[in-house]
Amino acid sequence: AQSVTQLDSHVSVSEGTPVLLRCNYSSSYSPSLFWYVQHPNKGLQLLLKYTSAATLVKGINGFEAEFKKSETSFHLTKPSAHMSDAAEYFCVVGGGFQKLVFGTGTRLLVSP
Amino acid sequence: DAGVIQSPRHEVTEMGQEVTLRCKPISGHNSLFWYRQTMMRGLELLIYFNNNVPIDDSGMPEDRFSAKMPNASFSTLKIQPSEPRDSAVYFCASILGPRESGGELFFGEGSRLTVL
Repeated sequence: AQSVTQLDSHVSVSEGTPVLLRCNYSSSYSPSLFWYVQHPNKGLQLLLKYTSAATLVKGINGFEAEFKKSETSFHLTKPSAHMSDAAEYFCVVGGGFQKLVFGTGTRLLVSP
Repeated sequence: DAGVIQSPRHEVTEMGQEVTLRCKPISGHNSLFWYRQTMMRGLELLIYFNNNVPIDDSGMPEDRFSAKMPNASFSTLKIQPSEPRDSAVYFCASILGPRESGGELFFGEGSRLTVL
């Protein structure tokens, strides 16, 4: 069985400050892990994915995530937030013959 | 490619009416998913097709819901009769290869359904 926990339902940052969105996973298999972003009234878009290659994964728009097996974590970071980063972010676990399991989402608020 | 195309984008209907949501996946993608998103339950997988065949419909909430994929370029999700608790945003997504490939899901922009 697989599961994913997004530790924060909301994160607020100021423009230009770092972003950290936290995700912990549970998987019986070597997992594939994804971060998706959803802007208002839009579908979800892939930010980045981990599939057992490099543990530090770089994505679009300056986001990156580090796979830490010992901590079962896959936190999403960005050095400097931009107003356009305000959106909902979903951590997703999947792999092998398992369904993709979506987290409950973290809403990122960016203030000027 | 235009991406995954869903219609209608918005639908308002009255309880008891039939609702049909439509999806055109990305050309060449052979797996298609229908998801439902609500504030209370988040994103839920309703049904998954691979090569036009329903593989997993365990997420379909009731017999009122049905989905078809008559060919590789078209799918429908039908609710009959609709109820207010069906109000949600319904997303269609497609992927190149089977679900198990770990590939990227491409989502449409969703169909927002309101049942009065």
